[in-house]
Amino acid sequence: AQSVSQHNHHVILSEAASLELGCNYSYGGTVNLFWYVQYPGQHLQLLLKYFSGDPLVKGIKGFEAEFIKSKFSFNLRKPSVQWSDTAEYFCAVNAGSGGGADGLTFGKGTHLIIQP
Amino acid sequence: DTAVSQTPKYLVTQMGNDKSIKCEQNLGHDTMYWYKQDSKKFLKIMFSYNNKELIINETVPNRFSPKSPDKAHLNLHINSLELGDSAVYFCASSRGQGRDTEAFFGQGTRLTVV
Repeated sequence: AQSVSQHNHHVILSEAASLELGCNYSYGGTVNLFWYVQYPGQHLQLLLKYFSGDPLVKGIKGFEAEFIKSKFSFNLRKPSVQWSDTAEYFCAVNAGSGGGADGLTFGKGTHLIIQP
Repeated sequence: DTAVSQTPKYLVTQMGNDKSIKCEQNLGHDTMYWYKQDSKKFLKIMFSYNNKELIINETVPNRFSPKSPDKAHLNLHINSLELGDSAVYFCASSRGQGRDTEAFFGQGTRLTVV
């Protein structure tokens, strides 16, 4: 079975700092990768996704992620964070043989706090 | 219009009670899911339905029973609630069975068992 690990459980940054959140997955076959964000008290929203093609994907709100197949990684980046980026960030993978119906396997999340 | 809607948003109940959470999606998706988010924010899939057919049933106690009356609805019924069932339950949906589809999540139902 696949698994996803997010290295940083809590990250505190100042506004305008650069952000990189690590995500590694374990699965040897084809994967689809996602980053979701959960603002306080809200549901999960998709930030970006990788299915195939260019390994550098751009998402909403200035976020991007790079898929490095050799490292089984899909790290999330943002050059300059804002206070409104304070949220929980989840990396997820869909890699089952059953396709989308297998659902997503999530990492344990990274709690990001941006200080004004 | 809300794409994936769940009711209720909050649910406080006593141990031993039976409760249901309803979920509806208006996206025309074929696949629906229930996820559980525990107190440490960890998200884990519980069930997956495709066109009203159960696809995935993770290691969930049989006190949890999903019901899909049609492909736009996936309800979750929980019998004999226990303290450990306290969590946020998210319904989600996605288009078809392909892996290259994103999941859309509902607002969540915060269940508190006292």
